[in-house]
Formats: sequence, structure tokens, C-alpha cells
Amino acid sequence: DQQVKQNSPSLSVQEGRISILNCDYTNSMFDYFLWYKKYPAEGPTFLISISSIKDKNEDGRFTVFLNKSAKHLSLHIVPSQPGDSAVYFCAASFSGNTPLVFGKGTRLSVIA
Amino acid sequence: KAGVTQTPRYLIKTRGQQVTLSCSPISGHRSVSWYQQTPGQGLQFLFEYFSETQRNKGNFPGRFSGRQFSNSRSEMNVSTLELGDSALYLCASSPQGGGGGVDTQYFGPGTRLTVL
Repeated sequence: DQQVKQNSPSLSVQEGRISILNCDYTNSMFDYFLWYKKYPAEGPTFLISISSIKDKNEDGRFTVFLNKSAKHLSLHIVPSQPGDSAVYFCAASFSGNTPLVFGKGTRLSVIA
Repeated sequence: KAGVTQTPRYLIKTRGQQVTLSCSPISGHRSVSWYQQTPGQGLQFLFEYFSETQRNKGNFPGRFSGRQFSNSRSEMNVSTLELGDSALYLCASSPQGGGGGVDTQYFGPGTRLTVL
């Protein structure tokens, strides 16, 4: 039973355009969400997070949107750059001492 | 500040053997979590250690175990290796642990384990 789902295994976007990566979750008790980026042969790198008390969080080119009623979050990258090509993981957790629950990732390819 | 380090980076073992992987967290971080990444299952939580105590455990068999030392360094051990244990094993550290609403987990580069 997958609690965090990333339904698009891959996404291709042209350089300079917007990349939108989507994530759905099933457990309404999740209240903290994170996005990680992973290059081959490296561990995941933290990108951006959002608490359930917010619906948007922005950091430079990266913005995460949270729609609690739809149990959906998305990561927007504007403008997309070739160096953004990587696998992006969405993760969720409950407040307090619990582990991260990850989606299976979306491979983003930014084409020059 | 140095990041999370894991040793070894690559390991090849045969079925039935055991293996020990090591993780050194970011200085000052007290929580260490372990995850297994496979192509089919994605990243799955193994266990978390905080102040030398296992605080959380994922849904893995007892062949998977771990420990944490007083300097927060952690090891995980897999006994009686099976072919399905081939995976990337990732360690993550955070100041207090939990990963949600409290602080963020930072990952090491992982140990690639191949079981033949």
C-alpha cells in the first residue's frame, strides 16, 4: 500500500520552460512534505519542504504547492536548467519522531 | 561542515554471507536513519537511531539490524544475505530526528551492495 505516489516515472522539459512534478498522498495525517533531488551514484539532496499549515513555499527557482483537500503537492522549477536533470523524490512524514515515506521518484530530463 | 559519509561505497558479497555498513553523520546530528533503495520499491525506511537507541523500525526482517555509538556514528548489519538484498543503502542524519516538522534529514552517498 503506497502512501506517497509519484505517478509520472519520467518527464522531459525544454531548457528555460517550467517543470512541474506531481505527488499524491493517501494519509491525511501527514503534515510535513519534502522534495529531494538525486543524481546517479549520489544520495538524495534536500531541495525544499512545506508544512501543512502553508499552501506554498518558495526558494529561488523552486516552489512547492500543497493542496491538502486533494492530498496533492507539486514542485515547480522555473526556469528549468540542464543541471536540474535528476530523479526527484517526494517524501512525507508526521510531526514528531517518525520516518520519511517516499514516492518512487520522477526522472526529470531538461533538454537544451 | 562535512556531510554524511558512508563506507564502503561499493560492496560485493555472496548469498549467505553477512555485511556491515558504516555511516558517520553530520557533526552535531544525533539521529541516524537507514533506507534501502531498489528500482522496484523505491526508498524504504529500515530504522532510526537516536542517542544510541533504536527509535523507529521499518518493515524489514530481523536479518537487518543496526546500532549507534556514543559519537552518533551508526552501523547496519545484514546477515544471511539474499539476492534480493542487492540495493543502495542510504544513511541520513538530522539534528533531532523524525524528519517531519522538526528538522530535515540529510543523506549520504550510499553503499551499493551487490549480492551474487
